Amino acid sequence: RKEVEQDPGPFNVPEGATVAFNCTYSNSASQSFFWYRQDCRKEPKLLMSVYSSGNEDGRFTAQLNRASQYISLLIRDSKLSDSATYLCVVKGDYKLSFGAGTTVTVRA
Amino acid sequence: EAQVTQNPRYLITVTGKKLTVTCSQNMNHEYMSWYRQDPGLGLRQIYYSMNVEVTDKGDVPEGYKVSRKEKRNFPLILESPSPNQTSLYFCASSLSTNTGELFFGEGSRLTVL
Repeated sequence: RKEVEQDPGPFNVPEGATVAFNCTYSNSASQSFFWYRQDCRKEPKLLMSVYSSGNEDGRFTAQLNRASQYISLLIRDSKLSDSATYLCVVKGDYKLSFGAGTTVTVRA
Repeated sequence: EAQVTQNPRYLITVTGKKLTVTCSQNMNHEYMSWYRQDPGLGLRQIYYSMNVEVTDKGDVPEGYKVSRKEKRNFPLILESPSPNQTSLYFCASSLSTNTGELFFGEGSRLTVL
């Protein structure tokens, strides 16, 4: 079983729509959780950390469910510029484990 | 400007011809790491380094070597490249292992014929 699993998508949504997707992780001892964004053929960049209580950053909301071992990302009022692959990242003791990514395409 | 720089960005080579991909960061980061990214598999860690002269294997170290003689540099060496090492490679650094924020280089696309 992969350490971090994501629905690859793609999620094709119109501008202004809300899109949400999850990521599951296998190690219950995982300590920290993050979402990274990767544009086509470019390097990943940190989008946001995911806190136990859930957190928002503008149109982005991240949530953590430790009991079910998943994290989620919700994007409200989607913009064309939100089109990207979103990588779920889980941190253990010294290691960051990356999911394969969920691709989101926002259309005009 | 704070950055991680990788070279070369693109390389086509042949089986068995040794090559080195350089990585340099100017942020005085302790932690550096190499990943390869393949379709459907996500980013897989090859090697990492927690500080100068301290390196360790990641998930897919076979066929690769690294060194960390200076804090800023972390080259990836393929002694005898094979076609299954055709991939997109990323170098990344962070202040320490306690942070989840990795700063990535722009990537090196390697093709081994």
